Amino acid sequence: EDQVTQSPEALRLQEGESSSLNCSYTVSGLRGLFWYRQDPGKGPEFLFTLYSAGEEKEKERLKATLTKKESFLHITAPKPEDSATYLCAAEEGSQGNLIFGKGTKLSVKP
Amino acid sequence: AAGVIQSPRHLIKEKRETATLKCYPIPRHDTVYWYQQGPGQDPQFLISFYEKMQSDKGSIPDRFSAQQFSDYHSELNMSSLELGDSALYFCASRHRLAAYNEQFFGPGTRLTVL
Repeated sequence: EDQVTQSPEALRLQEGESSSLNCSYTVSGLRGLFWYRQDPGKGPEFLFTLYSAGEEKEKERLKATLTKKESFLHITAPKPEDSATYLCAAEEGSQGNLIFGKGTKLSVKP
Repeated sequence: AAGVIQSPRHLIKEKRETATLKCYPIPRHDTVYWYQQGPGQDPQFLISFYEKMQSDKGSIPDRFSAQQFSDYHSELNMSSLELGDSALYFCASRHRLAAYNEQFFGPGTRLTVL
């Protein structure tokens, strides 16, 4: 069964304390691995798409990497405004449906 | 830039009532996806449409139906509402032939069933 697992479920960091979020997936025929940011009560905001092992993408303090079994979202010197739930999703099949992980809730304290 | 529009943003219904949620995709996007997100849960795929035809179906109850219209907007119709239907309902859109497959999500409709 295709599934996406994220860890940790919750992460508390001090401002400036770098860390990584993990997303492991078992999806046959992965067509893309997506990272989204979601603030409470709002829609997921697109961050990155990764397509092949070894690929890396960066945006401000965030960097996403992909291997054959997992993806990491590295957060460098986070700020309080980075506090949110980060969702990982795998695209399955040819219709583009996303299988989401349960997310990592990140809290960054000043 | 234009984003996905959903209406209404909030909806309160009684059990056994019906509800209609609307989604207006980003201009020139031809594919629409519906997701349901329960409290503290991850989004679950319900149904998708491409060029006004249903393209895939996920965990959508038989009490729900949806369609995509000629202007590409989509409506999710929910009947015989149950308490467990209370959730955030997201619509996402993308262009099927775009170089990148990312789906862009709307702000969601919060449905509360009393």
